[in-house]
Amino acid sequence: KAGVTQTPRYLIKTRGQQVTLSCSPISGHRSVSWYQQTPGQGLQFLFEYFSETQRNKGNFPGRFSGRQFSNSRSEMNVSTLELGDSALYLCASSLGLSGTEAFFGQGTRLTVV
Amino acid sequence: TQLLEQSPQFLSIQEGENLTVYCNSSSVFSSLQWYRQEPGEGPVLLVTVVTGGEVKKLKRLTFQFGDARKDSSLHITAAQPGDTGLYLCAGAADRLAFGKGNQVVVIP
Repeated sequence: KAGVTQTPRYLIKTRGQQVTLSCSPISGHRSVSWYQQTPGQGLQFLFEYFSETQRNKGNFPGRFSGRQFSNSRSEMNVSTLELGDSALYLCASSLGLSGTEAFFGQGTRLTVV
Repeated sequence: TQLLEQSPQFLSIQEGENLTVYCNSSSVFSSLQWYRQEPGEGPVLLVTVVTGGEVKKLKRLTFQFGDARKDSSLHITAAQPGDTGLYLCAGAADRLAFGKGNQVVVIP
């Protein structure tokens, strides 16, 4: 069974640009959650999607957005990038909603310069 | 917002020693999960504990869920270099809330 696939693995962007990250969940998983991981703050929850609907949202500005497609694949977008957005972005897929066991991808390492 | 505090933040020990790390919260969780993350990789689920007082063993790793379902501990017996990693606990409520992790380094 294939795991969670995130693309790209690494990304370098300039301040002010926008970026789109992609996540393909484990087959059969309908929930996809996104997290931002930095050394100082740890894993912070961005949002969760289930059946193409955002079910939960963390405390991030509106520059961070996401969506989920009918095949459960998900994308997240960050507009007007800031230096502080440099982080490892992790996607996790789960069978069910909210708090069920999460299976993570390898992450996308975003560097904003 | 449920906060999970993990202690100690960083722990370095010699191969063969035992160690215990902790995950504490003031909130009650329906379940608690432990993950291990290695550099450049995503976290990997180790175990889920559900019942207050529950103890689960995974080879040399022993996980315990507190009676009140607010805290947990992870004990590693005879640590090996392969145990090196960032151990994350996550409490299940309306979302998974993660602690900042216990960075464990096992020196050969």
